[in-house]
Amino acid sequence: KNEVEQSPQNLTAQEGEFITINCSYSVGISALHWLQQHPGGGIVSLFMLSSGKKKHGRLIATINIQEKHSSLHITASHPRDSAVYICAVMRSGGGADGLTFGKGTHLIIQP
Amino acid sequence: DSGVTQTPKHLITATGQRVTLRCSPRSGDLSVYWYQQSLDQGLQFLIQYYNGEERAKGNILERFSAQQFPDLHSELNLSSLELGDSALYFCASSVGNSYNEQFFGPGTRLTVL
Repeated sequence: KNEVEQSPQNLTAQEGEFITINCSYSVGISALHWLQQHPGGGIVSLFMLSSGKKKHGRLIATINIQEKHSSLHITASHPRDSAVYICAVMRSGGGADGLTFGKGTHLIIQP
Repeated sequence: DSGVTQTPKHLITATGQRVTLRCSPRSGDLSVYWYQQSLDQGLQFLIQYYNGEERAKGNILERFSAQQFPDLHSELNLSSLELGDSALYFCASSVGNSYNEQFFGPGTRLTVL
């Protein structure tokens, strides 16, 4: 079983819809990252959070440490939001300090 | 633009060859991370350097090695290349060690024929 699980794997929605992408993890973490990858391949860091909620424009990220769960929400979705959204965790307690990634959610927003 | 640069953007080579990928971190960042993204494995952490020293190792093969130079740029060396090494290789940088946001470079797409 992967340490980081995302759902759904694929999501197609209409412009304007409210989007939710979920991430569950099974290890202790020091932080959780939400990343965006466009078809060209580049990766952009959207959020890094260790508790509570963060908001940037139309994007909102929340995390529940006790339940080991995070969500990424997109309000008033737009075709330019079409991308792969990747959840990644930084494990706590020493060892490797790189990120452990989920498999990503492929989001398509249709006009 | 994240401020992290990677060269080359694309690299095509043959099996058995050796290549070097280069990464320059954002100004002021001391940590460099290398990641591999392949179709079957997804994104995987390879190795991290902090201020010139190896800090952590992930799923890096013995045929791969890396280093970080005094000017903080980093190189990832891939040798005895196999078809399965074809992937996107990203580097990322952060200000400090584990608990800082990471900024990703544009990646190097390696194709092994």
